[in-house]
Amino acid sequence: EDKVVQSPLSLVVHEGDTVTLNCSYEVTNFRSLLWYKQEKKAPTFLFMLTSSGIEKKSGRLSSILDKKELFSILNITATQTGDSAVYLCAVATKAAGNKLTFGGGTRVLVKP
Amino acid sequence: GAGVSQSPSNKVTEKGKDVELRCDPISGHTALYWYRQSLGQGLEFLIYFQGNSAPDKSGLPSDRFSAERTGGSVSTLTIQRTQQEDSAVYLCASSGPGTGDSYEQYFGPGTRLTVT
Repeated sequence: EDKVVQSPLSLVVHEGDTVTLNCSYEVTNFRSLLWYKQEKKAPTFLFMLTSSGIEKKSGRLSSILDKKELFSILNITATQTGDSAVYLCAVATKAAGNKLTFGGGTRVLVKP
Repeated sequence: GAGVSQSPSNKVTEKGKDVELRCDPISGHTALYWYRQSLGQGLEFLIYFQGNSAPDKSGLPSDRFSAERTGGSVSTLTIQRTQQEDSAVYLCASSGPGTGDSYEQYFGPGTRLTVT
């Protein structure tokens, strides 16, 4: 059974801090790993990673994938209160349909 | 449309009643997915539609759950004889025909179902 595990479950930081979120996976026929941000209901897409060692960046967010050790990290630098959300990691496999297997999420709270 | 839409946004129903949840995917998207998110949990895959192919129902938790997609666009998720454990946010997502490795899914705002 495909499995995606995120850590930590939650964390509280202050504005300006840097956070690192972890996602490890055990899946059959890995295709890609995706990160989403969920503030209220609808998760919004952040990154998709397919190749090892290539960092993807968007503003203060960055992410990288290690296909040998089967994990990914999501970094947020100079955090702001607007970064408070649940961050979801998901893995797509080569099974029919690109269905995603999600981790349980990491809840980030950024205090002023 | 501009994004994935779902209705209703909230639904409260009594145990034992049937409910229907609706999803309108992004126009032109061929793939449509249903997920369930229970309180404090990650997203759980339910069912997937791709074009005219037979749906992947491998995530449906019981035979009380069913879904259909009419005309390759709008989808309805039906839960019969609802139970309290069905209470969750039901999220719909769609993705485009995609080329190469593009599997980005766009999510709707979800329907919060409460079974009393």
